[in-house]
Amino acid sequence: AQSVSQHNHHVILSEAASLELGCNYSYGGTVNLFWYVQYPGQHLQLLLKYFSGDPLVKGIKGFEAEFIKSKFSFNLRKPSVQWSDTAEYFCAVNAGFKTIFGAGTRLFVKA
Amino acid sequence: DSGVTQTPKHLITATGQRVTLRCSPRSGDLSVYWYQQSLDQGLQFLIQYYNGEERAKGNILERFSAQQFPDLHSELNLSSLELGDSALYFCASSPRSGVSYNEQFFGPGTRLTVL
Repeated sequence: AQSVSQHNHHVILSEAASLELGCNYSYGGTVNLFWYVQYPGQHLQLLLKYFSGDPLVKGIKGFEAEFIKSKFSFNLRKPSVQWSDTAEYFCAVNAGFKTIFGAGTRLFVKA
Repeated sequence: DSGVTQTPKHLITATGQRVTLRCSPRSGDLSVYWYQQSLDQGLQFLIQYYNGEERAKGNILERFSAQQFPDLHSELNLSSLELGDSALYFCASSPRSGVSYNEQFFGPGTRLTVL
């Protein structure tokens, strides 16, 4: 069965620290990959997406992610986090008609 | 604002009752998805409709049902409600076709509280 695994459930960082959130998926075919963010009290918003081409994709607010096909991974990175990045981050994989979301990673950035 | 609207924003009801949640997708989007988000289960995909037809099914209970109408709005019906059904219910829609077909735009959610 298809699945998405996010390695960290909770991450606490200080402002200006670098961020990397891991995401691995299990599916052998062609996939579309997404990172969504949910700020406190808000709905999910798309951060970035990968459909094809350059495996390093850049999203909004300075986020980027790298698709490594051989590792079935799509890790999210940001060189320097801000307090306003405090949110829950979801990795999602679309395979066929279904989109599978990971369990989410709650990021808290200390000012 | 994603362009996806959901009503009501909040719903408080009792166990055993039935409720209907409504979703209007972005203009032009044919696909509608329903998700349940709770603290213990995370974000769970329930069901997807495409242009009125059921397209994919996830962890949707038999007590729950959904449909998409000709005007493309969708309703999620929850019956015989239990305390554990208390959650945020999100609706999302995706573009008609093209390279961004699988990108989803989420509504603000309906918070259901079952007492």
